[in-house]
Amino acid sequence: EPEVTQTPSHQVTQMGQEVILRCVPISNHLYFYWYRQILGQKVEFLVSFYNNEISEKSEIFDDQFSVERPDGSNFTLKIRSTKLEDSAMYFCASRGWAGGSYEQYFGPGTRLTVT
Amino acid sequence: QQQVKQSPQSLIVQKGGISIINCAYENTAFDYFPWYQQFPGKGPALLIAIRPDVSEKKEGRFTISFNKSAKQFSLHIMDSQPGDSATYFCAASSGSARQLTFGSGTQLTVLP
Repeated sequence: EPEVTQTPSHQVTQMGQEVILRCVPISNHLYFYWYRQILGQKVEFLVSFYNNEISEKSEIFDDQFSVERPDGSNFTLKIRSTKLEDSAMYFCASRGWAGGSYEQYFGPGTRLTVT
Repeated sequence: QQQVKQSPQSLIVQKGGISIINCAYENTAFDYFPWYQQFPGKGPALLIAIRPDVSEKKEGRFTISFNKSAKQFSLHIMDSQPGDSATYFCAASSGSARQLTFGSGTQLTVLP
């Protein structure tokens, strides 16, 4: 069964450093998303991406964040200058047709720890 | 208005019992309501979803009940098993991008 994959599974970085989180969405999906989950809290939407551009973004997704689909398979989230409060699980998701409706499927996540 | 409120925060049931988790929303533009199951260290996994044109959807032991007028929906897990112990999130979406707005989660523990 196709699945969303994410790398790395855990990233430790120092405050102020740039990080790139990588995702490979399910191959025939067209909508891609990033969400984050701070430990013990709910999953929060960051950004959606369709047709090589951002379609929606939340207030969390400020100028320090960017997304890119550099080739036909990868989807990346870049945080330019990390802050302590960026420590969270970051989930990539892709949306496609399954079982008679469009559904979002999540990857296993990248745990980002900013020290 | 974008919030989805979920209760209870935690739930403990005996094996074989019924687990019930409730969610409420304000935004009448929401038109898709999925439930996700999350195990520790894993990403949310789609469990079951419903659209507001039906009042109930059942898949195996999992049932969503939807009350459009009350703007509420709930997940019922029949014959709960220890393997069901996980965190459950309700969610809602609307618009062309279909981004999900999640509830705060319910940690379910099913005792053997």
